[in-house]
Amino acid sequence: SQQGEEDPQALSIQEGENATMNCSYKTSINNLQWYRQNSGRGLVHLILIRSNEREKHSGRLRVTLDTSKKSSSLLITASRAADTASYFCATEKTSYDKVIFGPGTSLSVIP
Amino acid sequence: KAGVTQTPRYLIKTRGQQVTLSCSPISGHRSVSWYQQTPGQGLQFLFEYFSETQRNKGNFPGRFSGRQFSNSRSEMNVSTLELGDSALYLCASSALAGGTYNEQFFGPGTRLTVL
Repeated sequence: SQQGEEDPQALSIQEGENATMNCSYKTSINNLQWYRQNSGRGLVHLILIRSNEREKHSGRLRVTLDTSKKSSSLLITASRAADTASYFCATEKTSYDKVIFGPGTSLSVIP
Repeated sequence: KAGVTQTPRYLIKTRGQQVTLSCSPISGHRSVSWYQQTPGQGLQFLFEYFSETQRNKGNFPGRFSGRQFSNSRSEMNVSTLELGDSALYLCASSALAGGTYNEQFFGPGTRLTVL
């Protein structure tokens, strides 16, 4: 069963634009993570945000978490063609629990 | 530090056969998780091992099993293969700190094709 659902399913933008992806989940969580998958580098961890955090930054990435709405967003600023990939949110409900992935958002950045 | 390695990278089997996939985690990581990825179902959690014990299990039939060795290397086995088992099988390792999951490091996966 999938805990998280990403939105939109697919997104196409021009290089230099910002890309925003959203993730909604159903039950309370311990943490939420974002991953990227492309054919070249496989599945790579981007950022982890804990349930008591509201915002985290990592380079051009900004993640927010709203536990009252059970949602998270991933913002990629100044996108590059190399950002073309599928992006997944993954949630862990409690410590030591399994990590469940959403279906992902497919991002295409057009040069 | 070497990353997560999975062997073999590609595998072709026929229905009814069984298969064993191997995963070597990053040195020092004690948790290994397995996922099945298909276009239709996405990334589905299979199971997680920590210190040779299965700690979490997904909703897969008993044909899917795994184990972890004392050096943290893990294997998963699928018996009586079905066409629907064709998928990319991903292994991930993580180092636990403070009792909470840290990021998972994924291997390149094993692409299993069942004919």
